[in-house]
Formats: sequence, structure tokens, C-alpha cells
Amino acid sequence: GQQVMQIPQYQHVQEGEDFTTYCNSSTTLSNIQWYKQRPGGHPVFLIQLVKSGEVKKQKRLTFQFGEAKKNSSLHITATQTTDVGTYFCAGRRAGGTSYGKLTFGQGTILTVHP
Amino acid sequence: SAVISQKPSRDICQRGTSLTIQCQVDSQVTMMFWYRQQPGQSLTLIATANQGSEATYESGFVIDKFPISRPNLTFSTLTVSNMSPEDSSIYLCSVEGPGTVGSARSGYTFGSGTRLTVV
Repeated sequence: GQQVMQIPQYQHVQEGEDFTTYCNSSTTLSNIQWYKQRPGGHPVFLIQLVKSGEVKKQKRLTFQFGEAKKNSSLHITATQTTDVGTYFCAGRRAGGTSYGKLTFGQGTILTVHP
Repeated sequence: SAVISQKPSRDICQRGTSLTIQCQVDSQVTMMFWYRQQPGQSLTLIATANQGSEATYESGFVIDKFPISRPNLTFSTLTVSNMSPEDSSIYLCSVEGPGTVGSARSGYTFGSGTRLTVV
């Protein structure tokens, strides 16, 4: 079945440092989504990437979708303590129905030291 | 995006008993999804609930253990049956965001989760 691998599992940074998490799928994706889950909270949708090579920005967050639509990354510039949480990627297999299920990566737990 | 009310938020249950988790959505949705999240782990899809038909279960999950109801387009329940300590987890319902014609659908909205502890 489809697998979505995400690295690193943990990342500890000092406030102000940058952070990147990477996501790789075993199959070509129709789209990829990113979620943030604060400690004790539920996943919250951040963004969806659909096009090959797409880059989207949300303030300090930059999201990329690979040319082959099998990998993606999330980069946070100048982390803040409010960025703490677990970041998940979730991919939808290409060729599936519009209601095809999402496969979540393992998540990257980000800790920011003030 | 949709707003989901999920309850209970947490429960501590005796082994061998069952717990029913409810999710109410503020808009009509075709599909609702039930996930399980072990502490510190990723989300694993249990089943997809369609209104008016049987739920579709993922590998490793069976209807006898996780019966699902979907009586209408805004409500669903998941029951965790004959619980054991291994069922201790967070259970989340979710719905897919509304897309626009000709574009990909937007992200999932999750309920606040049910933290289940089985003793």
C-alpha cells in the first residue's frame, strides 16, 4: 500500500533558527496536505499543494511539492515558540477517486527553546 | 470550513465494556472519516462512513470491533467494543473540506478528539 515517510521524527531548535521537515511518498500523489497539531490538540489543516513543483508561502512557512509529485517539504524561517507542535504531511494517491483517502506521514515533533 | 463537535472529549473505561463516540458536523457532508492516533504517533484511518451504506474499513479494523453508524449527512458515531488496554488511544472524526468546481478539495477538518483510556 501507499506509504508516506516523514523526517526527521524530532527537531529541537533555538528560537530564531530555521526548521525543515521532509515528506516522501512511495507513490505519485495527486496532492499533498500539511497539518499542524499543537500539544494536546487536534490536527489543523495548513495548506494543500496540487501542482508539480508548486511553492506556497504562509508568512514564515514555505511549502514545496516536488516535480515528480512524490515529495514535499515544509520550511519555517526564524522559528517562534508558537511554532511548537507536530507537523504532519498527508498525501492522496494519484489516480484515486476525488474522495481518495489521505495517508499521513509519521509527523515531525518540533520543540522551540526560547 | 466545517465545524465538528465531538464527544466525549475523554473517558476512562473498564476493559470489556464499549464506548460510543459521537461527531456532529454543522453542514451536510458525504463522507466522514474516523482516525485513531496513538500517543505521539501518526493518524491511522479506521474507516470511512457514508450516509445510507455500510462503512468501509481499512486493513486491520473490523466492523465487529468498531461499528459505525451514519444515520444522516451531519452525524456519525464510532463504537469501540469489548475494549482492552490496547484500545487506549485518541479517536478523531474528520470531514473533507468543500472544494469548488474544477479544483481540488481542501483539507480535512478534525473533531477535537476523544482521549480513551482503558483500565
